Amino acid sequence: GAVVSQHPSRVICKSGTSVKIECRSLDFQATTMFWYRQFPKQSLMLMATSNEGSKATYEQGVEKDKFLINHASLTLSTLTVTSAHPEDSSFYICSARPQTSGSRETQYFGPGTRLLVL
Amino acid sequence: KNEVEQSPQNLTAQEGEFITINCSYSVGISALHWLQQHPGGGIVSLFMLSSGKKKHGRLIATINIQEKHSSLHITASHPRDSAVYICAVRSRGGADGLTFGKGTHLIIQP
Repeated sequence: GAVVSQHPSRVICKSGTSVKIECRSLDFQATTMFWYRQFPKQSLMLMATSNEGSKATYEQGVEKDKFLINHASLTLSTLTVTSAHPEDSSFYICSARPQTSGSRETQYFGPGTRLLVL
Repeated sequence: KNEVEQSPQNLTAQEGEFITINCSYSVGISALHWLQQHPGGGIVSLFMLSSGKKKHGRLIATINIQEKHSSLHITASHPRDSAVYICAVRSRGGADGLTFGKGTHLIIQP
């Protein structure tokens, strides 16, 4: 089956530093990847939609200058949390839509990255 | 904006029981997903529905488009089914990303 990986699986950083999270589709090409965030006891929320070779589309309330998304290839999207603060501590999860999928509804999820900002 | 409601929020049952988790949404959709999230956080896609019913092993998912409602059923439940089950929708004519319910925390006791 289609596999999506994320790295790192968990990261602890100091306030003010930047953290990069990678999302890779291992056995398929993905023109579109999605970044979601989940705070404790809350539902997953879409942060942004990332299309290969173009700028990401951010959801309302998500700062594009703080959460930098790069989707430079069909198998890799990166999310960089710049100048991280404790309130950015969350579970970040990506999903990828296969390029060749017969349905635009198909998404495969990564295992997630747990970020803790001290 | 689509509002996705799930019920119950928490469910504890005995092994072997038939489980039903409900999901309702407020705006017409192009697809509904049922997802399973384990304690570590990773998400597994169980079903994607746009109409009717799907079955995979002991899991059954149904959707009623007119009533904007879907159900996930687990037959002969087992402790390994313990997880958070999440309903997510993509609104018709909306952006590609999903809108999620808050999830149903299911515990199956031996």
